[in-house]
Amino acid sequence: EAGVTQSPTHLIKTRGQQATLRCSPISGHTSVYWYQQALGLGLQFLLWYDEGEERNRGNFPPRFSGRQFPNYSSELNVNALELEDSALYLCASSLASSSSGSSYEQYFGPGTRLTVT
Amino acid sequence: AQKITQTQPGMFVQEKEAVTLDCTYDTSDPSYGLFWYKQPSSGEMIFLIYQGSYDQQNATEGRYSLNFQKARKSANLVISASQLGDSAMYFCAMREDNTNAGKSTFGDGTTLTVKP
Repeated sequence: EAGVTQSPTHLIKTRGQQATLRCSPISGHTSVYWYQQALGLGLQFLLWYDEGEERNRGNFPPRFSGRQFPNYSSELNVNALELEDSALYLCASSLASSSSGSSYEQYFGPGTRLTVT
Repeated sequence: AQKITQTQPGMFVQEKEAVTLDCTYDTSDPSYGLFWYKQPSSGEMIFLIYQGSYDQQNATEGRYSLNFQKARKSANLVISASQLGDSAMYFCAMREDNTNAGKSTFGDGTTLTVKP
């Protein structure tokens, strides 16, 4: 069974540009999560999508946005890139998260390393 | 607000010995899950072990066990018989079931180095 896949592996952009990152969840998983990991730091929660809807978002500005497609794959868009957006962006998927869904562990993809120059 | 604290930026352990990685958490949600992940230098996050807030017994997965002390709000990871391949960054994480569904909060991580 294929794991979570992300593309591209690396992305280099300049300040002010837009970046689009893609994620395909494990087959059967309907929830997709996005995290940002700045160099040497822990993961910061960005967004959670489930059944095509944004369910929760972390403390990030509106220029971080995304969507989930009918096949449950997801896209993260970062507009007006800033130097501090340089980080590893990790996508994870899980079975549907319900109000008692903490036991559904998240499976992570290999990440997209975004560099903003 | 949910918060995870890992107080050990770096740890060293001799091969074949056991090591404990500390994690304390803070939440007001009575229902939550605690997770440990391993992140090798290649960057991927590998799920290791899960403990539910209502679980009566400490979770174990092979050489990994979770020392869950609910009253102290601690969820330490114990790795027995360390191997060189255990050298990596380890993250403790928590997900609340009710107040912030879907959001996982991660600690800053502990870098574990296994010495031969």
